[in-house]
Amino acid sequence: DGGITQSPKYLFRKEGQNVTLSCEQNLNHDAMYWYRQDPGQGLRLIYYSQIVNDFQKGDIAEGYSVSREKKESFPLTVTSAQKNPTAFYLCASSRTYGSHGDEQYFGPGTRLTVT
Amino acid sequence: AQSVTQLDSQVPVFEEAPVELRCNYSSSVSVYLFWYVQYPNQGLQLLLKYLSGSTLVKGINGFEAEFNKSQTSFHLRKPSVHISDTAEYFCAVIGMGAQKLVFGQGTRLTINP
Repeated sequence: DGGITQSPKYLFRKEGQNVTLSCEQNLNHDAMYWYRQDPGQGLRLIYYSQIVNDFQKGDIAEGYSVSREKKESFPLTVTSAQKNPTAFYLCASSRTYGSHGDEQYFGPGTRLTVT
Repeated sequence: AQSVTQLDSQVPVFEEAPVELRCNYSSSVSVYLFWYVQYPNQGLQLLLKYLSGSTLVKGINGFEAEFNKSQTSFHLRKPSVHISDTAEYFCAVIGMGAQKLVFGQGTRLTINP
């Protein structure tokens, strides 16, 4: 079955530590995305990648970093510079980037709690 | 740029009653429209999408939506809801030629027995 996997489901970290969230897709999609979801705020775009070895900042990139060394993988690092890292993080992918009518497919999410 | 407004943050309904979740968008160009559903502690799943053609779009789980260009709306409807429809629903839009999918704030649908 094709899909997107995110691991782990729940993640706990101490303040001041960097943490990396995993995202893997086997849909052969070119584009991948990271969103942050907070209660009552919908989805906010952190970073996106149109193609392997390329990525761009989204609306709330400060305190986050990504890499796209392989087509199927798009890990997100939450650094200690992110002021409010506790949130639900969603990874998504689509066949192409931009307005081609391609829907985004979402992973199950990782809930990060930083204390 | 595009924007999306979901007019209701919460919608409580009784089981087997009909429901309408409202979505209005703003765009200076033609758009593609999507409805996603999110069950608790899960990712988003596509319910349906409008790309072109018939303005009435049928999706999974008995949901449908109607694209109304003059009113810039894309309301989601279901004639009879079940307890299992309890979830958060997101409307999203991307303009033709635009780069980014824009999501609404979400509507939490609660089904009461």
